[in-house]
Amino acid sequence: DIQMTQSPSSLSASVGDRVTITCRASQSISGHLNWYQQKPGKAPKLLISAASSLHSGVPSRFSGSGSGTDFTLTISSPQPEDFATYYCQQSYSIPLTFGGGTKVEIK
Amino acid sequence: DVQLVQSGAEVKKPGESLRISCTGSGYRFSNYWIAWVRQMPGKGLEWMGIIYPGDSDARYSPSFQGQVTISADKSISTAYLQWSSLTASDTAMYYCARHQSGTSSNLDYWGPGTLVTVSS
Repeated sequence: DIQMTQSPSSLSASVGDRVTITCRASQSISGHLNWYQQKPGKAPKLLISAASSLHSGVPSRFSGSGSGTDFTLTISSPQPEDFATYYCQQSYSIPLTFGGGTKVEIK
Repeated sequence: DVQLVQSGAEVKKPGESLRISCTGSGYRFSNYWIAWVRQMPGKGLEWMGIIYPGDSDARYSPSFQGQVTISADKSISTAYLQWSSLTASDTAMYYCARHQSGTSSNLDYWGPGTLVTVSS
């Protein structure tokens, strides 16, 4: 199985700060990396697919980059509704494993 | 609109069997894989497996192979996740999600989840 490691596991940020979350794969996954957002008590939502493609309806303050083994999710100016838990997922090979999650909290 | 509707919360005893469901609408159900994802209380997401309703081809994570069975009935646009003998460690929220295949493979639509509680 491909292991996905996210860092940090949690962070505190103020509204308007720049937030960066990293995700590392245990082997190269090319650009087959997705990002999801999950709020408490809700199902996850797709934010970004194929490392950098914004899903329909996702605000442009979210962006993704990377290829191979190292990937980044950036929130350029987080809004109150962006405080949530974020997960990366590799879609390179079955099983399609998730990272452990990054909880983004308001400072 | 694409929608995935999941069956309601379940409370079961250890050793009991269970089948939960996920019904899709707003798209051609037979043509998209459906994934099942587990989230244990306070924990992260775990990909369990996937099924193609068109021919019921199912793939499993090694962590869940033999522990659960994934099936589908394309005639009623429904996928299932079932257990033959539950244990307390099966207590979790279970999500189904539509798997978008291709070069940009992802889980683009999710159901609201089914909470399964196993307790004596």
